[in-house]
Amino acid sequence: RKEVEQDPGPFNVPEGATVAFNCTYSNSASQSFFWYRQDCRKEPKLLMSVYSSGNEDGRFTAQLNRASQYISLLIRDSKLSDSATYLCVVTGNQFYFGTGTSLTVIP
Amino acid sequence: DTAVSQTPKYLVTQMGNDKSIKCEQNLGHDTMYWYKQDSKKFLKIMFSYNNKELIINETVPNRFSPKSPDKAHLNLHINSLELGDSAVYFCASSPWSGVYGYTFGSGTRLTVV
Repeated sequence: RKEVEQDPGPFNVPEGATVAFNCTYSNSASQSFFWYRQDCRKEPKLLMSVYSSGNEDGRFTAQLNRASQYISLLIRDSKLSDSATYLCVVTGNQFYFGTGTSLTVIP
Repeated sequence: DTAVSQTPKYLVTQMGNDKSIKCEQNLGHDTMYWYKQDSKKFLKIMFSYNNKELIINETVPNRFSPKSPDKAHLNLHINSLELGDSAVYFCASSPWSGVYGYTFGSGTRLTVV
């Protein structure tokens, strides 16, 4: 069983739409959680950390559900520039990356 | 100033050759990593060093040998390159606990022909 599972998508949404990604993890002892963004042919970049209480950064909201062992990312009012692959990351004794969810925002 | 820099950015080489990729970070981080991202875009850790000491060594062919001369540098040497080694290799660094996330280099796109 993989440490982290993500729906690879692709998600194709119109500008202005709200889109949500989920990610499940297998190790209940996982400590830290993140969402990374990776643009085509670029390196992954930290988008936001995910806290138990949930956290928001502008149009982006991340949530953690420890009981069900999943994290989520909600993007409101999608922009063309949001098109990228979104990777969830879960830490145990190392970082475990999901395979990424591809998002394309269509004009 | 580039936080995590790796060279070269592109590397095209023939099977059987030996090549090295270099990585340097100027963030003062204690821990550095090598990740491999294959054609399916899956990022998999290969090695991790903390203050020059190897702490993670995943199941990687022993043709791959990391070397950390100091905590700001982590190089990757690959012997007898094979077609299956073609991938993007990312260097990354973090403070010791990693709770603040990783910073990645821009990647080295290795193509073995």
